[in-house]
Amino acid sequence: GAGVSQSPSNKVTEKGKDVELRCDPISGHTALYWYRQSLGQGLEFLIYFQGNSAPDKSGLPSDRFSAERTGGSVSTLTIQRTQQEDSAVYLCASSLGLVVGYTFGSGTRLTVV
Amino acid sequence: TQLLEQSPQFLSIQEGENLTVYCNSSSVFSSLQWYRQEPGEGPVLLVTVVTGGEVKKLKRLTFQFGDARKDSSLHITAAQPGDTGLYLCAGYSTGNQFYFGTGTSLTVIP
Repeated sequence: GAGVSQSPSNKVTEKGKDVELRCDPISGHTALYWYRQSLGQGLEFLIYFQGNSAPDKSGLPSDRFSAERTGGSVSTLTIQRTQQEDSAVYLCASSLGLVVGYTFGSGTRLTVV
Repeated sequence: TQLLEQSPQFLSIQEGENLTVYCNSSSVFSSLQWYRQEPGEGPVLLVTVVTGGEVKKLKRLTFQFGDARKDSSLHITAAQPGDTGLYLCAGYSTGNQFYFGTGTSLTVIP
C-alpha cells in the first residue's frame, strides 16, 4: 500500500480482556517497529522485526505483550489480560533502513476501562 | 536507554514569530532525526542529520546537529498555523532503533 495501515484506529476494552492490533506496512519495507505513546510521554520502543531474523523484543514491558509478523509483511501486536496502564496509542512504523527513517501509521488508540 | 530531553515542553506563539526547540542528551548519536506529529496521526519525518555541526534547511525550518553530536535544535522562522503540532527528536547510536524525546507541543495562533 501507499502508507502504513493500522487497525483498528480506536479500541476500547475491559480490563482483563485480550486485544489484537494489526499493522500492514509499506510493501517492500523489510523493517517493522511497534512503539507505544502515552500522554505526556515520548515514543516507547516495543519490538522490531527485520526480514526473517529473530525479532528484537527487548522493549516489550511484560510477558502479556507479544507480536508476530507473518510472511515478512503484516504484523499483529497482542496484549493479554489488559490493564489500565496499557492505555496508550500504539504506533507501527516500517522502514527500508534506519538512515532513511520511519514511516508511521496513524496508530491505534487503546483505552482499557 | 539513551535519554533525549526536549525543551520547551509546550510552546504557544503568535503567527509570524520565530522559535527554537532544543533536543539534548548526554549520549553521542551517529544520527538524529526530527519528526512532526499532528493530532490523530503518526509522526512524519522532517529531516535526518548525521554530521556534527551539520545544518539543514527545509523552507522556514532550520535544523542543526551539535558539534559533539549530543544535541540538536530546530528553528522555525515566521511561524504559521500549519506548523502547529508535536515535534519529536530521535537519536540513534547502537542497536536496532531510534530513541525518541518526549516532544515539544507547538501551537501557532493566527
